[in-house]
Amino acid sequence: TAGITQAPTSQILAAGRSMTLRCTQDMRHNAMYWYRQDLGLGLRLIHYSNTAGTTGKGEVPDGYSVSRANTDDFPLTLASAVPSQTSVYFCASSEGSQETQYFGPGTRLLVL
Amino acid sequence: GQNIDQPTEMTATEGAIVQINCTYQTSGFNGLFWYQQHAGEAPTFLSYNVLDGLEEKGRFSSFLSRSKGYSYLLLKELQMKDSASYLCAVMDSNYQLIWGAGTKLIIKP
Repeated sequence: TAGITQAPTSQILAAGRSMTLRCTQDMRHNAMYWYRQDLGLGLRLIHYSNTAGTTGKGEVPDGYSVSRANTDDFPLTLASAVPSQTSVYFCASSEGSQETQYFGPGTRLLVL
Repeated sequence: GQNIDQPTEMTATEGAIVQINCTYQTSGFNGLFWYQQHAGEAPTFLSYNVLDGLEEKGRFSSFLSRSKGYSYLLLKELQMKDSASYLCAVMDSNYQLIWGAGTKLIIKP
């Protein structure tokens, strides 16, 4: 069972460039999430989607956008990357918005 | 504001018992989660508490006191593979998870 996959595994990106982080789940979960994890801080929610076709803003949404065209995919786009977006990005999913969240392997992004 | 506090780092000996504490102040409460995260890997779910009391799952147990805003994760018969960070998270009134910064547990032989 694949669960949740993320791509790429890691990336070095020049400041000002755009990039899309991909996330796909095969568990038919309704809810999906994007977090960033920085040293010394807890996971912070960027955007979420409670069901296909809907999205919402989390704690740190600025500079990021998402879409949820279908149940399985939840891509995260950085329109114009800045060095402060250097982080590890985790995608997660849950059966419902109140259920346990399961995480993908993460994408390590370095913005120079 | 919302806040989750847990110790930054703890050290324990293989075979021993360790208790990792978590205190929280959140807008609403819809359950508390513990996750394990090995270095360079994703968080993995360990336990969930929504009612007061102790939940036991093998070598791991988790306790909750809602009136005190307090939880702990108890790890027994420690093994070297338990060296990891342990993350405490509370689901708030909007059903969003608020995360602590994690406790890095170092196991010594």
